[in-house]
This record gives sequence, structure tokens and C-alpha cells, in this order.
Amino acid sequence: EAGVTQSPTHLIKTRGQQVTLRCSPISGHTSVYWYQQALGLGLQFLLWYDEGEERNRGNFPPRFSGRQFPNYSSELNVNALELEDSALYLCASSLGGGGPEAFFGQGTRLTVV
Amino acid sequence: GEDVEQSLFLSVREGDSSVINCTYTDSSSTYLYWYKQEPGAGLQLLTYIFSNMDMKQDQRLTVLLNKKDKHLSLRIADTQTGDSAIYFCAESMDTGFQKLVFGTGTRLLVSP
Repeated sequence: EAGVTQSPTHLIKTRGQQVTLRCSPISGHTSVYWYQQALGLGLQFLLWYDEGEERNRGNFPPRFSGRQFPNYSSELNVNALELEDSALYLCASSLGGGGPEAFFGQGTRLTVV
Repeated sequence: GEDVEQSLFLSVREGDSSVINCTYTDSSSTYLYWYKQEPGAGLQLLTYIFSNMDMKQDQRLTVLLNKKDKHLSLRIADTQTGDSAIYFCAESMDTGFQKLVFGTGTRLLVSP
């Protein structure tokens, strides 16, 4: 069975640009989570989607947004990129309603120059 | 408030037991987790424990939870070089996984 898949694996963008990251959850999982792992800041919760709705949001500015599609895949959009947005962005999925077992993808490494 | 602390580094010899410790501050945590991250990779869920349990064993892994002291530990028996990685503990604030608060990670180095 396929795990959580994320694309692209690596990305380089210029400050001020916009970026879209993609995540496909494990089959049967309806909850998707996004985390940012920035150097020196550890793992920070970004967003939680369940059944197509945003359920919870971390302490990030509004230029971080996302959505979940009817097939439960998800996109994370970051507008007006700043240098400090350089990080590994991790997506995780779990059973609906925020089931306790969550499985992470390999991440997308975003570098902003 | 939310704060999860771990020691930064642990070095052991192959075949020894490793114990990675974690302290958390929120007594309302419902689940506590251990994740493993190898270089350049995502997070691998190792195990988790419900907050009303005090111990969970899964093959070489033993999780101990002391709710009174808000202390969580992960013991790896017969540590192998393949266990070298960063280990994160995390707590969930609400029911299930809604929002995980991660520790800073402990880098485990296993030498032959």
C-alpha cells in the first residue's frame, strides 16, 4: 500500500514568488496535516484538513493557505515567499476525525533565495 | 502552555540499550508519540501511548509515561547502527492528532 506522497521533493524559489506543494494521503485517510520543519525552529504545525474543511490552523500568517480536494489530496500554498520560509514541509495523513495514528510523507524541501 | 523538551544528543554502542527522555508541560495531552527521522527523510511513526497508560512495549521499543512528572521515555533494546537517527517526542493537545507539538529532537548515534 502506498504511503503519503508529496511533490515536488525539492523546490527553489525566489523571494516574493508563490509556491504550491502537493500531498496525497494514504488510501482511506481523510485527514491531512501540514507541518513546517525549519532549521533551528523544529517542527511547527501549520494546517489540518478533514473532509474537505480546514479544522485547525497553527500560528502562521495568512499567506500560508491550503485546501483539500474531494479525493482527500491537499495543496499547501505559500504566497509572497520570504527567505525564512525555507524549510522542509511535511504532510501527514490519518483516519478521519483526527485519528491518533498519523503517517508522514518524505517532505518537500523548499529553498527561497 | 505547550512546550516539549528533549536532550539534544545521545551516543551509545551497538548492542546497548538507548533511553531517550522527553518532558512535556500540558497535562491535558491525550496521546504522546515517538517519531524517528533519518537524514533527508520524513518522520516515521514508531509508537504512541494513550495518556491513561503508563507503559507500552512493541518489540525492541518500550515507552514509559510518568504523568505526575510529565515525563516520557523511549527505550530501545539491543540498539543497532540502523537506529541512528533523530527521535522526536510529541504530544497532542486535543482528541487524536489534531495538533502535534514536537520536541526539539534527540540525535541518537550508535557506534559499532
